[in-house]
Amino acid sequence: KAGVTQTPRYLIKTRGQQVTLSCSPISGHRSVSWYQQTPGQGLQFLFEYFSETQRNKGNFPGRFSGRQFSNSRSEMNVSTLELGDSALYLCASSLGLAARETQYFGPGTRLLVL
Amino acid sequence: AQSVTQLGSHVSVSEGALVLLRCNYSSSVPPYLFWYVQYPNQGLQLLLKYTTGATLVKGINGFEAEFKKSETSFHLTKPSAHMSDAAEYFCAVSEEGRDDKIIFGKGTRLHILP
Repeated sequence: KAGVTQTPRYLIKTRGQQVTLSCSPISGHRSVSWYQQTPGQGLQFLFEYFSETQRNKGNFPGRFSGRQFSNSRSEMNVSTLELGDSALYLCASSLGLAARETQYFGPGTRLLVL
Repeated sequence: AQSVTQLGSHVSVSEGALVLLRCNYSSSVPPYLFWYVQYPNQGLQLLLKYTTGATLVKGINGFEAEFKKSETSFHLTKPSAHMSDAAEYFCAVSEEGRDDKIIFGKGTRLHILP
């Protein structure tokens, strides 16, 4: 089976712009979770989607949003980018809810905000 | 709410020596516990997980961890370190029946000395 894929792998944006990141889960996986990873804060949970419904949301402002399509592919959007949004954004998929199942992570999208 | 603490953001061991990475958690109900590893420029990969049953859990690459309820710990060990073990290791906890969030520790970077 193909692994979790994320596009694009690298992205450079300027403050105030918006960005959309894409994640394709492993075939058959219904849950997709998103994480932000930074050197200072570590791995922080953004949100989890299961069968097109947002199941959980982390402590991030409303500028961070996501959605999941019927084929389980997911997108994450960040509007009005800030310098502090520079990070590695990781997507993970699992058969069931992430809290109980093994998550399979993609390689991440590295976002740099200038 | 559950939480997880990893003691030591950096750990150095000599090749062939014992690897011990510490993880303590806080949970009001029986937890699910995970160890993930992240190699440079890659996403996370599951090493092992504890859900129920045997408290000594064996994972990939010779790693194992023991769930000690009385100490609220889930330390990761490997008898003999190999250069390829150099990576960042994340402990994570979730609670069955709760809000289904999985919480990651801040990570421990393992350095292997020749």
